[in-house]
Amino acid sequence: NAGVTQTPKFQVLKTGQSMTLQCAQDMNHEYMSWYRQDPGMGLRLIHYSVGAGITDQGEVPNGYNVSRSTTEDFPLRLLSAAPSQTSVYFCASCRDTSSYEQYFGPGTRLTVT
Amino acid sequence: GENVEQHPSTLSVQEGDSAVIKCTYSDSASNYFPWYKQELGKRPQLIIDIRSNVGEKKDQRIAVTLNKTAKHFSLHITETQPEDSAVYFCAASRRRDDKIIFGKGTRLHILP
Repeated sequence: NAGVTQTPKFQVLKTGQSMTLQCAQDMNHEYMSWYRQDPGMGLRLIHYSVGAGITDQGEVPNGYNVSRSTTEDFPLRLLSAAPSQTSVYFCASCRDTSSYEQYFGPGTRLTVT
Repeated sequence: GENVEQHPSTLSVQEGDSAVIKCTYSDSASNYFPWYKQELGKRPQLIIDIRSNVGEKKDQRIAVTLNKTAKHFSLHITETQPEDSAVYFCAASRRRDDKIIFGKGTRLHILP
């Protein structure tokens, strides 16, 4: 049982490039989410999904796309990277959000130059 | 939408003393309030949570209290130890298929 996995661990992009951050979980969790963590800003929700085929926007969705074609995978796509997207990105999953622990992935540190 | 405010942003306490971190939420429909601990360079992990039908919950040196009327909840750590040094996040969610919103975090320093 690997839990929540994320790839890559580190990434450097140039402004304007696009890329996809991968997230997968093997716990059959319905709920998955993406957060970004910046100093002093806490964990801000980018997008979330309550099940396969369903996605919704969080607090800071601009510049990011997501899809949820399977229960296991929830990739985050940066459409045209900007320096403001330099951050640490965490993927998380849980059984449901009313009373269950969210399990976080190890994070991806992204730098946009 | 839901907004979660957390205070203080930084807290320093002597080893052995108690630490209290407070959060307020805006959506009266929120009913689940977890607390996460993040050690330096690591991922957040759940340390305790409380549901809206309970006023207080304890787990050894950690306790959480909830005041639904005032819409605030607090984390209490007693007999603090060096390993308690970390960033702590509160969060709130409304129902099983809704998003979880986090506070901005509190950096706790335990002083020797």
